[in-house]
Amino acid sequence: GDSVTQMEGPVTLSEEAFLTINCTYTATGYPSLFWYVQYPGEGLQLLLKATKADDKGSNKGFEATYRKETTSFHLEKGSVQVSDSAVYFCALSVPGSYIPTFGRGTSLIVHP
Amino acid sequence: DTEVTQTPKHLVMGMTNKKSLKCEQHMGHRAMYWYKQKAKKPPELMFVYSYEKLSINESVPSRFSPECPNSSLLNLHLHALQPEDSALYLCASSQESLGQGQTYEQYFGPGTRLTVT
Repeated sequence: GDSVTQMEGPVTLSEEAFLTINCTYTATGYPSLFWYVQYPGEGLQLLLKATKADDKGSNKGFEATYRKETTSFHLEKGSVQVSDSAVYFCALSVPGSYIPTFGRGTSLIVHP
Repeated sequence: DTEVTQTPKHLVMGMTNKKSLKCEQHMGHRAMYWYKQKAKKPPELMFVYSYEKLSINESVPSRFSPECPNSSLLNLHLHALQPEDSALYLCASSQESLGQGQTYEQYFGPGTRLTVT
C-alpha cells in the first residue's frame, strides 16, 4: 500500500537556522505530494504541494522538490523563525483517490 | 472564502450524553471528511462524504454517526462515547476528484477538542 515516512522529531533549532525535514514515500501510481502544517491548538493547513516530478512547491519561505528518482519530498527553509514552531505532516494522494496518506508528523521547535 | 468552520471549539461530555459536532464550508467542495486526531499523531480518517452521500466509513464504531444535510454542512452525532474517544476531531473538505486524473488538497477546520468523562 501507499506510505509516507518522515524523520522522527522533535527537531530543535535556533532562530535563523537552516531547516530540513526528510520525507520519503512509496505509492502505486503517480502521486501528488503535500506538506501540511499544524500550529498548536489548530487544524492542519496546506503549506505547499507538488503534482509531478521535479516540481518545486514553495510558500512562506518553505520549499520542497518532488524527486521521483529518490521518491522524496524533503521540506527546507533557509532561516526559521520562532513562529515556525509547529508539527509538519508530509502526505500523498494518488489520482482517483481523494484520501491522503499522512506521515507520522515531525515536531519543529525553534528557540529565540 | 477558503475557510472551514467547526463548532464547538471545545466539548466535554459524559458517557451517557448525546452531542453533535458541526462543520461548514462555502468553497463549493463536494467531498467532506471527518478525522480523529490523537496528540502527537497524524489525523485518522473516519468518514468521507461525496456529493452528500457517505462513500467511506473506516470501520468507525456506531456511537459515531455522520450526517451531511447539504453540500455545505457536515455533522457528527455522538452518543455513548468512551473516554478513549477523547481527541481532536477535524473536519476537512476538498474538490471531488474520484474518477478524475487529478488530486486535490484538503482544507481543514480548526477542530473540536472533545473530552469524554
